Amino acid sequence: SQQGEEDPQALSIQEGENATMNCSYKTSINNLQWYRQNSGRGLVHLILIRSNEREKHSGRLRVTLDTSKKSSSLLITASRAADTASYFCATDPNAGNNRKLIWGLGTSLAVNP
Amino acid sequence: NAGVTQTPKFQVLKTGQSMTLQCAQDMNHNSMYWYRQDPGMGLRLIYYSASEGTTDKGEVPNGYNVSRLNKREFSLRLESAAPSQTSVYFCASSALWTGGQYGYTFGSGTRLTVV
Repeated sequence: SQQGEEDPQALSIQEGENATMNCSYKTSINNLQWYRQNSGRGLVHLILIRSNEREKHSGRLRVTLDTSKKSSSLLITASRAADTASYFCATDPNAGNNRKLIWGLGTSLAVNP
Repeated sequence: NAGVTQTPKFQVLKTGQSMTLQCAQDMNHNSMYWYRQDPGMGLRLIYYSASEGTTDKGEVPNGYNVSRLNKREFSLRLESAAPSQTSVYFCASSALWTGGQYGYTFGSGTRLTVV
């Protein structure tokens, strides 16, 4: 079952604009991770935010986490054509040692030059 | 380059044929995973190996078997391929269970078509 749900499913913006995508989840978590997948390639880990963190930055990426709303957002600032990809969130549920990452269905981002 | 290597990249099988997808990582990771990715379904876990010497079923194990040959290698076998197994298969590895700070490292995928 897919816990993470990203929205929007698809997003199209112009180069230089900011892109925001959201992830909602259902159970309490240890952390939430964001990944990027370029067309025809494997997923690449972007950033991890722990449940006790509210905001994290990495270069042009800004991730926020609101555990009370069970949601996270990924902001890409000053987007570039090379940011065109699908973005996935994955949650690490707070469910003991046998827990597994739960993946969302992804947001497809198109950055137009 | 350090990472996860999957072979083959593409494969076409006839229904009933068997094949093994190979995966190797050179990052000394403890955990390895096999996923399939289908349009509209996201990533679904087929099998995983939390550490060398152990393997367990994921969400969709039917029709597949795995072998954790050593710490580096984790293979996925389709004994009798079916059209429903047409998919893109990804192998991934991680130092820590559920990824930790550095998350999962993925291979580039195997695109499998069963006709």
